[in-house]
Amino acid sequence: AQSVSQHNHHVILSEAASLELGCNYSYGGTVNLFWYVQYPGQHLQLLLKYFSGDPLVKGIKGFEAEFIKSKFSFNLRKPSVQWSDTAEYFCAVIPNTGFQKLVFGTGTRLLVSP
Amino acid sequence: DGGITQSPKYLFRKEGQNVTLSCEQNLNHDAMYWYRQDPGQGLRLIYYSQIVNDFQKGDIAEGYSVSREKKESFPLTVTSAQKNPTAFYLCASSITSGNNQPQHFGDGTRLSIL
Repeated sequence: AQSVSQHNHHVILSEAASLELGCNYSYGGTVNLFWYVQYPGQHLQLLLKYFSGDPLVKGIKGFEAEFIKSKFSFNLRKPSVQWSDTAEYFCAVIPNTGFQKLVFGTGTRLLVSP
Repeated sequence: DGGITQSPKYLFRKEGQNVTLSCEQNLNHDAMYWYRQDPGQGLRLIYYSQIVNDFQKGDIAEGYSVSREKKESFPLTVTSAQKNPTAFYLCASSITSGNNQPQHFGDGTRLSIL
């Protein structure tokens, strides 16, 4: 069965620091990849997605993620975080063959201190 | 505005009681999903429906039941057979159940045991 690993469960950064959240998945075939964000008291929102093409994808609010197929990774990055980026971030993967279920990682809680 | 509406926001269940969580969407999406979110465990799929009048068990369906009589509605019943129902429940929908369709989420229902 597919699985998604987010190794950083809690991350604390100061404003203007750079961010990188790790995401690794286990599946040998072609996959579609997503990052979702859940701000405090709000619903999950799609941050960015990768289906094919350029492995560096840009999302909302200055976030980007790079798909490295050889490493089965899809790490999320932001050059300079803001206090408003405080949220929980979920990586999700779905194989691109037939009907498959979206598999979520356990999430990373990011706290940005002003 | 189009979106997914979950109600109630908070729900309390007595021992031995069945409770039903509502999920309505006006996005004209074919596919709908129910997830359970527990701290440190990410999102786990309970049930999903690819089309009206059809639904399938997810990874943790025991103790839950669903119906999909209308395209816009996908209610979840937490039965007395679910021994650990305290959790945050999220409903989602997507245009189709295709693997490249992002899922859109509701605000969630927090269920607690009295």
